[in-house]
Amino acid sequence: DSGVTQTPKHLITATGQRVTLRCSPRSGDLSVYWYQQSLDQGLQFLIQYYNGEERAKGNILERFSAQQFPDLHSELNLSSLELGDSALYFCASSVSLDALGGTDTQYFGPGTRLTVL
Amino acid sequence: DAKTTQPPSMDCAEGRAANLPCNHSTISGNEYVYWYRQIHSQGPQYIIHGLKNNETNEMASLIITEDRKSSTLILPHATLRDTAVYYCIVRVSANQGGKLIFGQGTELSVKP
Repeated sequence: DSGVTQTPKHLITATGQRVTLRCSPRSGDLSVYWYQQSLDQGLQFLIQYYNGEERAKGNILERFSAQQFPDLHSELNLSSLELGDSALYFCASSVSLDALGGTDTQYFGPGTRLTVL
Repeated sequence: DAKTTQPPSMDCAEGRAANLPCNHSTISGNEYVYWYRQIHSQGPQYIIHGLKNNETNEMASLIITEDRKSSTLILPHATLRDTAVYYCIVRVSANQGGKLIFGQGTELSVKP
């Protein structure tokens, strides 16, 4: 158990719909990362938040957005869903000592499996 | 970003050491080598990381060559539960946000 929690575990929805995935980081971690894992693309970085602010962006679609709240939990919003958005979505967290030049191990949650029909 | 190259698959007998190689010839001096594994569709699990020196923890050992162009993850006594995809990742430097770039990894099958 990494200490990172994600809800829901499974989500089945229809094309065109909007869903929200939730992530609670490990206690004390300030950074949250979102990754997508699909069969044809592998594990891909989407976006990172640090202490409530967006810090880095990967190949995240404009239909997707995320935020990190004052209590440090994060939500990933996926809208206008398409069949190709079906994937596993992982959240990871880290203490984020990057600014101090230290290493910063990311710990992953169990993921949310999204199925778009 | 430094790229890593790993064999797509490997087999290992249960109880024997599993040695998983990784090439990262373009690694920069301040970039760390991280290893994660993913069992079936579970979340990736952190194993170990290192910069220059060899590292050991309760899960594995990491051997990094002196020129830092390659490394080997060693699982000293592989069990069936170690069957997983193992990812070798060169950690993007801090000023780029620290994201992890996953390749295809090595699918390790531990056989009885």
